[in-house]
Amino acid sequence: EAQVTQNPRYLITVTGKKLTVTCSQNMNHEYMSWYRQDPGLGLRQIYYSMNVEVTDKGDVPEGYKVSRKEKRNFPLILESPSPNQTSLYFCASRTGAVGEQYFGPGTRLTVT
Amino acid sequence: KQEVTQIPAALSVPEGENLVLNCSFTDSAIYNLQWFRQDPGKGLTSLLLIQSSQREQTSGRLNASLDKSSGRSTLYIAASQPGDSATYLCAVYSGAGSYQLTFGKGTKLSVIP
Repeated sequence: EAQVTQNPRYLITVTGKKLTVTCSQNMNHEYMSWYRQDPGLGLRQIYYSMNVEVTDKGDVPEGYKVSRKEKRNFPLILESPSPNQTSLYFCASRTGAVGEQYFGPGTRLTVT
Repeated sequence: KQEVTQIPAALSVPEGENLVLNCSFTDSAIYNLQWFRQDPGKGLTSLLLIQSSQREQTSGRLNASLDKSSGRSTLYIAASQPGDSATYLCAVYSGAGSYQLTFGKGTKLSVIP
């Protein structure tokens, strides 16, 4: 089954404790993205990747890091999480620059 | 910078009614437009993708139209069912180079049995 998977689905952590949210897709898509979704603000892009070893900032990249060492994986790293990073995070992938986008199930992160 | 607006923010209709959801965007230089459905606490499911050269796309009871020149798209849902209750989001691809997908904030649809 074609899909985007994320882990963990739920995470509660404390301020400053480094964490990684994994994302994997099995559709051989070149483009992958990370979004956060907050009430009243909608979906905002954090980072995106156009292919292996090619990444760029989205609208809200501060406090986040990404890497793309393999085509299928695109982990999101929070080196020192803060409470304002409490949010619902989505990974997505698509084939081509303007192809149909597929989303993962989301990761609900709470930073206390 | 591209801005996408969806009005109304919430809509409640009785089961069986046909309905239209609206999406408008400020920059008409888009590559395509995508409609998504999101159930509470869940991920987004792609419903329809309309290329910039197309006027409409259909999938089952759903029909999406695109008018680039006026910066508008509509999602028509025929014979609504309680299972259609969800938030519907539209998003447009624009901006050469980054090909960023800009989202509206969605319309929350409730279909009352």
